[in-house]
Amino acid sequence: AQKVTQAQTEISVVEKEDVTLDCVYETRDTTYYLFWYKQPPSGELVFLIRRNSFDEQNEISGRYSWNFQKSTSSFNFTITASQVVDSAVYFCALMGRRGAQKLVFGQGTRLTINP
Amino acid sequence: DGGITQSPKYLFRKEGQNVTLSCEQNLNHDAMYWYRQDPGQGLRLIYYSQIVNDFQKGDIAEGYSVSREKKESFPLTVTSAQKNPTAFYLCAVAGEDTGELFFGEGSRLTVL
Repeated sequence: AQKVTQAQTEISVVEKEDVTLDCVYETRDTTYYLFWYKQPPSGELVFLIRRNSFDEQNEISGRYSWNFQKSTSSFNFTITASQVVDSAVYFCALMGRRGAQKLVFGQGTRLTINP
Repeated sequence: DGGITQSPKYLFRKEGQNVTLSCEQNLNHDAMYWYRQDPGQGLRLIYYSQIVNDFQKGDIAEGYSVSREKKESFPLTVTSAQKNPTAFYLCAVAGEDTGELFFGEGSRLTVL
């Protein structure tokens, strides 16, 4: 069975602080993909990143960075110098079998950035 | 405009009524999905279709039905057999090259 756990239900920080969202996953597949999505108040899910299981390089995109560690089955997301516009619910997701392309989602972390 | 269109955005239904949510895409992708989101929870897969005239049950298919007669369209019917239909429904389309799911804006169903 595949499972994604986002232990942090809600996080609240003050603007300009750095914040890390945790994601731990379980899968028996040797090939899999990990994703992060952002859900603003409008409801639509916005794709942020995809990482495959063979690529453990960390990635940075502007103020966003992702740390993938297979040894701990984690795929954490850090926002540096947070801004109010970063306020949203963030979902980590796992796709275990390329053919079926079914995403399994964590329960999400609601991030609030206070001015 | 390119993308995924879900309609209606908001829908109210009386108990015992069936309701159909529309999902249309012009991205020319084969795979389409329906997810359900409840407050404070992640998304759960209802049904998915990888090709026209074929679809598979997801994790919570009971009380729902779908059809895939055209590549562009994957409507979801919430039947009266669904005991707790009030939720936010999201349609998604898979990009074959990237394995990434693109989501529509969602339909919020409320049963009165």
